[in-house]
Amino acid sequence: AQRVTQPEKLLSVFKGAPVELKCNYSYSGSPELFWYVQYSRQRLQLLLRHISRESIKGFTADLNKGETSFHLKKPFAQEEDSAMYYCALSGGNQGGKLIFGQGTELSVKP
Amino acid sequence: DAGVIQSPRHEVTEMGQEVTLRCKPISGHNSLFWYRQTMMRGLELLIYFNNNVPIDDSGMPEDRFSAKMPNASFSTLKIQPSEPRDSAVYFCASSRDEETQYFGPGTRLLVL
Repeated sequence: AQRVTQPEKLLSVFKGAPVELKCNYSYSGSPELFWYVQYSRQRLQLLLRHISRESIKGFTADLNKGETSFHLKKPFAQEEDSAMYYCALSGGNQGGKLIFGQGTELSVKP
Repeated sequence: DAGVIQSPRHEVTEMGQEVTLRCKPISGHNSLFWYRQTMMRGLELLIYFNNNVPIDDSGMPEDRFSAKMPNASFSTLKIQPSEPRDSAVYFCASSRDEETQYFGPGTRLLVL
């Protein structure tokens, strides 16, 4: 079964601390993985996708096929990073259909 | 481009009433997705269209829900009759050729 798991519903850190939001997936083929961010009462926005291998707003994520993980990391959290973060998976031949994890709320305290 | 447009942004209705949510995808995008977001279940895909044709409606909760895409620039999601458990934020998203999905601002639905 295709599934995305984000084990933490809430992650609270202090400003300047490192952040790691966990994401594990279950998929039999070669998936494409994404991180979306949703700031308070705003629309979801793509943060990054694994094939682009870029860093957005200081966030990076590496696809680990052995561990079936796509954890999102940032070395120094900022207060403006506070938001809901969703990990999502897209499989081939599915018309771009996304399967989302339950989301992790990141709270960065001053 | 204004991005994905959804209307209304907020809807409050009474149980049993018909609710119609509207979406205008980004021009040139050929895939359209409807999602529902709740605290309990997170983000769930309800249905998606490719080139105006419904491809996967396995996420549609029951017969009370229906979706149409009469042309490339417009889609509706209808709930009839509505129930309190349908209260949620409904997002529409569009993409081109299975590329990145772009989300609309959502419609916040409250069924009393």
